Order: sequence, then structure tokens, then C-alpha cells
Amino acid sequence: DQQVKQNSPSLSVQEGRISILNCDYTNSMFDYFLWYKKYPAEGPTFLISISSIKDKNEDGRFTVFLNKSAKHLSLHIVPSQPGDSAVYFCAAEETSGSRLTFGEGTQLTVNP
Amino acid sequence: EAQVTQNPRYLITVTGKKLTVTCSQNMNHEYMSWYRQDPGLGLRQIYYSMNVEVTDKGDVPEGYKVSRKEKRNFPLILESPSPNQTSLYFCASHKTGGGYTDTQYFGPGTRLTVL
Repeated sequence: DQQVKQNSPSLSVQEGRISILNCDYTNSMFDYFLWYKKYPAEGPTFLISISSIKDKNEDGRFTVFLNKSAKHLSLHIVPSQPGDSAVYFCAAEETSGSRLTFGEGTQLTVNP
Repeated sequence: EAQVTQNPRYLITVTGKKLTVTCSQNMNHEYMSWYRQDPGLGLRQIYYSMNVEVTDKGDVPEGYKVSRKEKRNFPLILESPSPNQTSLYFCASHKTGGGYTDTQYFGPGTRLTVL
């Protein structure tokens, strides 16, 4: 069973516009959420995270929103840049462990 | 430079021929993990290790073995590879234990093809 789901395999946006990547989860024990970014031929790199006690975390152009009641989080990138083109993975973790559960990934393409 | 290295980066082998993918980190991290990435399935954890001589199964451990004899190394062993183990493999390490892992570092990946 897929506990973390990213329902959009791909997303295409114009440079300068907002990119919104979505993620849903089913495990109510998840307490911490992360986004990773992956370029081709490289390993994923950490982008931004949010604890369940918050509903928003911002880091420069990247903002993650968490809606616990809906078990939904989203990553907003504003403004989008061509260098943001990558696969984005949503991940979640239970407080008690160090294991991350990843979603399927969303390929973001930012067109110049 | 803080990094996780994996070798080989690319490997083509045949069914049943034992192979080992090495992983090494230079950050003195206690925790190390192996993941496989498959289309439509994302990253799935194979095994993880909380410290030397301490390992545990992840979500998809069947057909894999690991060992953690030294803190820096965490090799992945396929005793008898099969075609369904054709995948992209990532090793990762992080320093947080029992808490949040926002500083998990990934290696560059190993593309394995089993014929």
C-alpha cells in the first residue's frame, strides 16, 4: 500500500509562474514531511521540510504547506526557473523512527 | 567534501551471479540506508542500519543482504540476482537517530541491469 502518494507524474509550467506540487498521505502516524529534488544521474537532495505542528514553512522561493486534517501537503515554487526542472519526491516520517517513506515523484519541467 | 559514494555506477549482469554494490560515507553518520527507485513506485527502502552491526529490513528486503562492519561502509549484496531486481539503487546516510532526518545525504546511484 502506497502510504505517500503523488498523483501527478508530471507538471509543466512557464518560467516565472508558480509551480505547485501535491502530495497525499494515509498514515496518521507521520509527523514530519520532506521534499527532495532529483536531477538526472544524481541522487536526491533535500529541499525543504515541515513538522506536523506547523502548517507552513518557507525557504526562499520554496514554500511547503501542510493540511493535517486532509493529510495533504504541497510544495510551491515561486517564481519557477528552468533550473528547477527535476523530479520532486515527497517523503514522510514517523516521530519514532528514522525511516522515510517516499512518494512516486513528480517530474517538473519549467519552460523558458 | 561531505559525500556518499557508490560503486559501481552502472552494472550489467546475468541472473544468479552474485554481486555487491559498495557504499561509503565520510560524514561519520550512524544511519545508512539502501533504496531502489522504480518508475511509478518512487523510492522504496530495502534495508537500513542504525549503527555498526545493527541492520533491519525496510519495505522491500527480499533478495538482498547488507552488512555494517564499519561505520562508513554499508554494502548491498545480491546473492542471486534476478531480472526483477533491475533498478536504480541509492545509498543514503544521515546523522539523526530516533528523530527527523532532514539531513539525509544520497549517493549518486547505481544503475543495475540483470539479464
